[in-house]
Amino acid sequence: GAGVSQSPSNKVTEKGKDVELRCDPISGHTALYWYRQRLGQGLEFLIYFQGNSAPDKSGLPSDRFSAERTGESVSTLTIQRTQQEDSAVYLCASSDLGIVGVEQFFGPGTRLTVL
Amino acid sequence: DAKTTQPPSMDCAEGRAANLPCNHSTISGNEYVYWYRQIHSQGPQYIIHGLKNNETNEMASLIITEDRKSSTLILPHATLRDTAVYYCIVRVGLGSWGKLQFGAGTQVVVTP
Repeated sequence: GAGVSQSPSNKVTEKGKDVELRCDPISGHTALYWYRQRLGQGLEFLIYFQGNSAPDKSGLPSDRFSAERTGESVSTLTIQRTQQEDSAVYLCASSDLGIVGVEQFFGPGTRLTVL
Repeated sequence: DAKTTQPPSMDCAEGRAANLPCNHSTISGNEYVYWYRQIHSQGPQYIIHGLKNNETNEMASLIITEDRKSSTLILPHATLRDTAVYYCIVRVGLGSWGKLQFGAGTQVVVTP
């Protein structure tokens, strides 16, 4: 694949249900980022992975949010007991390295709607 | 990371240069200026970045003032496909892991 892919593209769920969002980064990219974008707003940083470890989880809004990465490739963002305020587009980005000066490539996002 | 201030919106005629301003008056010496754009319903796209010197690539030019408190992104010949939200971001160099902190950006509309 040429770029970052995310699935599903759209997810509608009921309040209180758990959801899993998937990100497939560009092959060989060691750094992976999750962001959230609420309607009409800029992106909020959630979590950063370097390889399979997450040195920066400072943006996760609550303990209902968690993420993991396996094989230095695929990452999954899990939201437990979803709330209506979790409705947003969740974007994943990857880059060669997790440092400044390196371009981040973004996926198309997963639009989550919590009813 | 330093905060940035951008106008909420601006229009530009197709074929003309678009000059997008950004103020970052509290920028520190090790912070870079980045520009990304987001076309409707897509993920953000990297445009350009710089530290002190002016930069140019195939997409745009970045002009940073000598005191580094402001910068301007220049799209030399705007096309309809340049209609997007443009984000000016200031990022710390060492130890930030490269995460981006987006503001509200500038909605640029290119008109025929």
